[in-house]
Amino acid sequence: NAGVTQTPKFRVLKTGQSMTLLCAQDMNHEYMYWYRQDPGMGLRLIHYSVGEGTTAKGEVPDGYNVSRLKKQNFLLGLESAAPSQTSVYFCASSYVIRGRTDTQYFGPGTRLTVL
Amino acid sequence: DAKTTQPTSMDCAEGRAANLPCNHSTISGNEYVYWYRQIHSQGPQYIIHGLKNNETNEMASLIITEDRKSSTLILPHATLRDTAVYYCIVRVLGTYKYIFGTGTRLKVLA
Repeated sequence: NAGVTQTPKFRVLKTGQSMTLLCAQDMNHEYMYWYRQDPGMGLRLIHYSVGEGTTAKGEVPDGYNVSRLKKQNFLLGLESAAPSQTSVYFCASSYVIRGRTDTQYFGPGTRLTVL
Repeated sequence: DAKTTQPTSMDCAEGRAANLPCNHSTISGNEYVYWYRQIHSQGPQYIIHGLKNNETNEMASLIITEDRKSSTLILPHATLRDTAVYYCIVRVLGTYKYIFGTGTRLKVLA
């Protein structure tokens, strides 16, 4: 199993450009998440999904959109990138046991710089 | 969700046990204690979790006090590869929300 994978690993954007980050998991997990981590800080939840075709907002959703068209993939989109979105982005997924979501497993991260 | 308090940094000699404390004095009865670590900006790695009993796995042991207001993660024989930021998180099983604080930066010294 590859676990949780993210592409790309690095990206540099200019202000106003758009891009999509891809997260894929091969563990058949129901839940998927997108976090951002700024220097010296813990992770903050951007958006999450409890299943194919469903998404919900986390703590810091502004400026981002997401889609979960397939169970194994969770996409994070930036429509008009801003320097404040310079960060490391982590994707995670978790399984469901007896109807409750359990331990989250994280991908390796995407380092995004917006100039 | 309960908040957690951890020391900012700790050092440990290689081969010795590393004991990382976490205070969660406002924890609720249905909140679990989770530990993750993050090695040099890689994705957080799950270590262990527990509710009220002590837990042990191949990576570490988790000791939770009887009143559940604090816990200690124990790495029994720390190696240089255990140098990382360690996060203590409390959450209700079944909720999506993980609240990551700033964690404890553990440095294992040769």
